[in-house]
Amino acid sequence: GAGVSQTPSNKVTEKGKYVELRCDPISGHTALYWYRQSLGQGPEFLIYFQGTGAADDSGLPNDRFFAVRPEGSVSTLKIQRTERGDSAVYLCASSRDRGANVLTFGAGSRLTVL
Amino acid sequence: DQQVKQNSPSLSVQEGRISILNCDYTNSMFDYFLWYKKYPAEGPTFLISISSIKDKNEDGRFTVFLNKSAKHLSLHIVPSQPGDSAVYFCAARPGNQFYFGTGTSLTVIP
Repeated sequence: GAGVSQTPSNKVTEKGKYVELRCDPISGHTALYWYRQSLGQGPEFLIYFQGTGAADDSGLPNDRFFAVRPEGSVSTLKIQRTERGDSAVYLCASSRDRGANVLTFGAGSRLTVL
Repeated sequence: DQQVKQNSPSLSVQEGRISILNCDYTNSMFDYFLWYKKYPAEGPTFLISISSIKDKNEDGRFTVFLNKSAKHLSLHIVPSQPGDSAVYFCAARPGNQFYFGTGTSLTVIP
């Protein structure tokens, strides 16, 4: 696609529920990143994929968070047993390859946990 | 521990004047620095970048300065325009991971 597409744009859920957030990167971009931006903060790194594999998942806050990219294109961020503190904007970004210097971001998925 | 810091949460500037946004970092391994601009309900968009081997990079109205000894970079916008009103994030990279500051909200007053 022309840009990074994220769905849903908004998600409201109840505490304890399971959530999936989807990212469709720019066509041909092999590197894909997930970031989380809480209110008043900058984007915080969660996980980075190079191709299908998670090259760096050191930013995932705990084992309730998991992400996959099975075919090296679309990625899904999965959050189990959501907590109110998970409320944030989840940003996906892609880049041409691991050596690229610039990330192109999607508009984000705003998650609200009630 | 915040490795990239933007200590000014907001800045107001008159149209036509210079806007100076500042950023400090702590990790001497950072080798590439970027500025992103973000409008409400949109993702951050890339604005300008600089490699650690340079001390200045200019692109139209935007100039980024890097002072490695002070671990400080700044973004200059001149002349500032109302359309520049947005949140500006600086980011730094060692390898594959990008670290972002907390952002500075710039308001350019017509």
